[in-house]
Amino acid sequence: QSVLTQPPSASGTPGQRVTISCSGSRSNIGINTVNWYQQLPGTAPKLLIYYNNQRPSGVPDRFSGSKSGTSASLAISGLQSEDEADYYCAAWDDSLKGLFGGGTKLTVL
Amino acid sequence: QVQVVQSGAEVKKPGASVKVSCKASGYTFTGYYMHWVRQAPGQGLEWMGWINPNSGGTNYAQKFQGRVTMTRDTSISTAYMELSRLRSDDTAVYYCARESVVVVAAKGVWYFDLWGRGTLVTVSS
Repeated sequence: QSVLTQPPSASGTPGQRVTISCSGSRSNIGINTVNWYQQLPGTAPKLLIYYNNQRPSGVPDRFSGSKSGTSASLAISGLQSEDEADYYCAAWDDSLKGLFGGGTKLTVL
Repeated sequence: QVQVVQSGAEVKKPGASVKVSCKASGYTFTGYYMHWVRQAPGQGLEWMGWINPNSGGTNYAQKFQGRVTMTRDTSISTAYMELSRLRSDDTAVYYCARESVVVVAAKGVWYFDLWGRGTLVTVSS
């Protein structure tokens, strides 16, 4: 069971906006920033969002992140079929050990 | 081209050890920490630890303390992860991931910006 809690699944139709939540605690998200990774089927994870809401170059602005207190969220607007993937939140705990959420499988209906 | 290339798939028997390599190219190997993350079949990502390629310093997840050893060879820009006393539940894809840091408001922000393709380790009798 992961220290960071994500819903196991999410879904939406093309063009919709979906959000994925990530719940932690004061010892991880509460004091450190959150990153998000996208893992397409059969591939390695890819950085999607860092420092809560920053997009690396090349990541479409349809993807956005936010953090409040001990929780974070990833939002995907204008959902596309190629967004179908697993999404993981990640943070560091207060002893700088890495933590991942359990992952959310996004299905585009 | 900036990349990290991992060694090939391994099949091991329970109780054995496995050593996975991760060769960096296109950037200064000693300038970035290297992390190891694993993913069991159908499961999520699990952080295992990191190595500082410059100093050789390491930091392991408590779950793997005593079983994992991360090393590096700076002459060939390669990081290694060795896991001993393998069990069937160690069957997983093992990834190396480069850590990048930015400083925001005088605070370091760490994230994995470069991943290897993964190495499948199968533990089976």
